[in-house]
Amino acid sequence: DTAVSQTPKYLVTQMGNDKSIKCEQNLGHDTMYWYKQDSKKFLKIMFSYNNKELIINETVPNRFSPKSPDKAHLNLHINSLELGDSAVYFCASSQAGGGGYTFGSGTRLTVV
Amino acid sequence: GQNIDQPTEMTATEGAIVQINCTYQTSGFNGLFWYQQHAGEAPTFLSYNVLDGLEEKGRFSSFLSRSKGYSYLLLKELQMKDSASYLCAVRGGSATNKLIFGTGTLLAVQP
Repeated sequence: DTAVSQTPKYLVTQMGNDKSIKCEQNLGHDTMYWYKQDSKKFLKIMFSYNNKELIINETVPNRFSPKSPDKAHLNLHINSLELGDSAVYFCASSQAGGGGYTFGSGTRLTVV
Repeated sequence: GQNIDQPTEMTATEGAIVQINCTYQTSGFNGLFWYQQHAGEAPTFLSYNVLDGLEEKGRFSSFLSRSKGYSYLLLKELQMKDSASYLCAVRGGSATNKLIFGTGTLLAVQP
């Protein structure tokens, strides 16, 4: 009964590859997010969707493309992976209009 | 600009009390959150302050002063399992519910 689930938990891939991370929430929340946590543990927002509509798009290379097929799912596709993309990517969700986030368990991406 | 500052690391002794400070400068303010993150795990919600004052929840309390742009998280009766990173996050004034996180404070609890 995981509230926010991400797959895969670990991803090791070579430079130049394309990969996707999937996220699903069963909390009935309207808003979902992708955050990147670097090696210094700093959590930085990348994208947010509210009910399938993109509402936050921070300064992120356009190799990163989010997709929300419905309000319970938010996927992240990354093209042409680079070494600097190595990080932990967290999905989160919240109620629209406020409230704290519930985070997924994270996807540790390692680009070699 | 937006800036949230916390000490990078702190050390405390089991059974003691520790206070983790957070100062912020953001475009608008609509609440401050504290999260706990154990190594290799997801951040988990600890507390939320939107009005000035102290919110108490068991061994954990959080304080907010909006005029000073300041908050602290107080942990009492420290236990070894409290060793973790503590993240301060501010919700700004936009309608997007975006949380801006500080860099986190790594707390080590020693016997």
